[in-house]
Amino acid sequence: NAGVMQNPRHLVRRRGQEARLRCSPMKGHSHVYWYRQLPEEGLKFMVYLQKENIIDESGMPKERFSAEFPKEGPSILRIQQVVRGDSAAYFCASSSGTDLNYGYTFGSGTRLTVV
Amino acid sequence: AQKITQTQPGMFVQEKEAVTLDCTYDTSDPSYGLFWYKQPSSGEMIFLIYQGSYDQQNATEGRYSLNFQKARKSANLVISASQLGDSAMYFCAMRGAVTGGFKTIFGAGTRLFVKA
Repeated sequence: NAGVMQNPRHLVRRRGQEARLRCSPMKGHSHVYWYRQLPEEGLKFMVYLQKENIIDESGMPKERFSAEFPKEGPSILRIQQVVRGDSAAYFCASSSGTDLNYGYTFGSGTRLTVV
Repeated sequence: AQKITQTQPGMFVQEKEAVTLDCTYDTSDPSYGLFWYKQPSSGEMIFLIYQGSYDQQNATEGRYSLNFQKARKSANLVISASQLGDSAMYFCAMRGAVTGGFKTIFGAGTRLFVKA
């Protein structure tokens, strides 16, 4: 019973390139959340998705960032024209419901470095 | 607005002793959940314990217990009999039923160092 799978674990991009981060939720989980963690800081909410729907994207930067969770396949967080400030760890989490007691299962994260 | 505050950037504890990590929160939601996560140096996020705002008893999970004081809006994590492997970052988190929507918000974290 695999947990939340994120890939790649590490990603290096030059300024101006695109970064695509993938997340496969736990089996049976239909709710996916993306968080960003800057060095020595807590996790900041970015976006909440269900299959084919963005439910809450209040934490997403208005430009360059987008997310999807298609009917088939993993959730994708896409960052276009990356800048140095995008360097961070990006975590995906999934849950089986939205009730308060549903804790998240986190992936191992993708460490993005923009050079 | 919802907010989580962890005022201890770093804590030291002697192996086998107990340690309390502080967490205060602010929310206008009548119903909410409180969580603690551990992040070791390897970077993954590990769920430790959950407390519901209407739970009558403090949550416990093995060596972890949550000291929930609703009137003070505090949800401190107590780790008993500390082990070297407990050295990590610890994050307090909260999700509200109404204003919080479906997202969980996290505090800035406390880095725990366990000394041999």
